[in-house]
Amino acid sequence: EMQLVQSGAEVKKPGESLKISCKGSGYNFTSYWIGWVRQMPGKGLEWMGIIYPDDSHTRYSPSFQGQVTISADKSISTAYLQWSSLKASDTAMYYCARHSLSGYAYWGQGTLVIVSS
Amino acid sequence: QSALTQPASVSGSPGQSITISCTGTSSDIGGYDYVSWYQQHPGKGPKLMIYDVSYRPSGVSNRFSGSKSGNTASLTISGLQAEDEADYYCSSYTNNRGVVFGGGTKLTVL
Repeated sequence: EMQLVQSGAEVKKPGESLKISCKGSGYNFTSYWIGWVRQMPGKGLEWMGIIYPDDSHTRYSPSFQGQVTISADKSISTAYLQWSSLKASDTAMYYCARHSLSGYAYWGQGTLVIVSS
Repeated sequence: QSALTQPASVSGSPGQSITISCTGTSSDIGGYDYVSWYQQHPGKGPKLMIYDVSYRPSGVSNRFSGSKSGNTASLTISGLQAEDEADYYCSSYTNNRGVVFGGGTKLTVL
């Protein structure tokens, strides 16, 4: 069974760094792009970017370029989303999903990130 | 890349049909047949309901259908049921090789 399992909720302070993860199983992790999607409280879905785990090639939404870093470790079938200096406005639910031009059929359960002083 | 435009809310009575529109540009919806629709219930993750404009994934009710004309895609739900009450999002591939979502539509079943 194909699964994406994300790391648990995080509570951080402004200025702190953070790296959340998304582990794939049940399929060839290196053969599919992984995408990240943000959902701020009470708001809609926002596409952040994607990574191809086999060679770590990335593509970012202009809105998120330079704000976050997407990476992957194919040896452990895991993709990451990281921040070097969190802001209160980064408070949101973050989803990973198996990227496809046709649509996102497989999603992680989401990681809630709360940034508060 | 600006978000695709969806109505903030739609409503319908059980058994009725509703249609949610999703308007983009020739750089996204109008340029590719890669439009998808997602259903999201409160506190839950998104679920793919339609892909490639009009195809349903296995397990999705045939009450859900999708179409596209020019720069506008549509999701139609027929025979509305209480369980259909949720937020719905459209999405499209874009010409900068990314993805863009719509702002979301809240469906209320009266």
